[in-house]
Amino acid sequence: RKEVEQDPGPFNVPEGATVAFNCTYSNSASQSFFWYRQDCRKEPKLLMSVYSSGNEDGRFTAQLNRASQYISLLIRDSKLSDSATYLCVVNMGTNAGKSTFGDGTTLTVKP
Amino acid sequence: DGGITQSPKYLFRKEGQNVTLSCEQNLNHDAMYWYRQDPGQGLRLIYYSQIVNDFQKGDIAEGYSVSREKKESFPLTVTSAQKNPTAFYLCASTLGGDYNEQFFGPGTRLTVL
Repeated sequence: RKEVEQDPGPFNVPEGATVAFNCTYSNSASQSFFWYRQDCRKEPKLLMSVYSSGNEDGRFTAQLNRASQYISLLIRDSKLSDSATYLCVVNMGTNAGKSTFGDGTTLTVKP
Repeated sequence: DGGITQSPKYLFRKEGQNVTLSCEQNLNHDAMYWYRQDPGQGLRLIYYSQIVNDFQKGDIAEGYSVSREKKESFPLTVTSAQKNPTAFYLCASTLGGDYNEQFFGPGTRLTVL
């Protein structure tokens, strides 16, 4: 079993749709959690950090459930520009900043 | 502008050759990382360094080597011992610790001919 597992996707949705991605992690000692966005053939960029209380940034909402060891990303009112691969990232709490990346979920938003 | 630069953007190598990928950052970050990404997969950690003159192996260090002689620089050498080196290589840096985001360079695409 992988340490970080994401919905395999791909997700193909129309503009304006709401879409949710899930990610599970296996190490209960994990300390910090992130969602990164990666466009085709580009480097990943931070989309959101994920906090225990949940956090929202415009159309994006991230939530963490430590008991069930999963994090989620909700995108409301999808735009064409949201088309990308979304990477779930977990830091294991070694204080080395070592991150484990999920394989990513690809989203395509269509007109 | 602060950021991370990687060079070259594309690199072609013949089997049996060693190649060195450059990574430079001017963010004054202590920690630097090298990842490998294969098509349809996430990033896998090759090596990381938390401080100058010190580095640790990641999950897939075999066939790779690094150095950290300066805070700003963390070059990666892909040796002939790496059996399947064709991949997208990404360098990242962070202030350190577990709660800071990683900033990535634009990557180097290595192809072995």
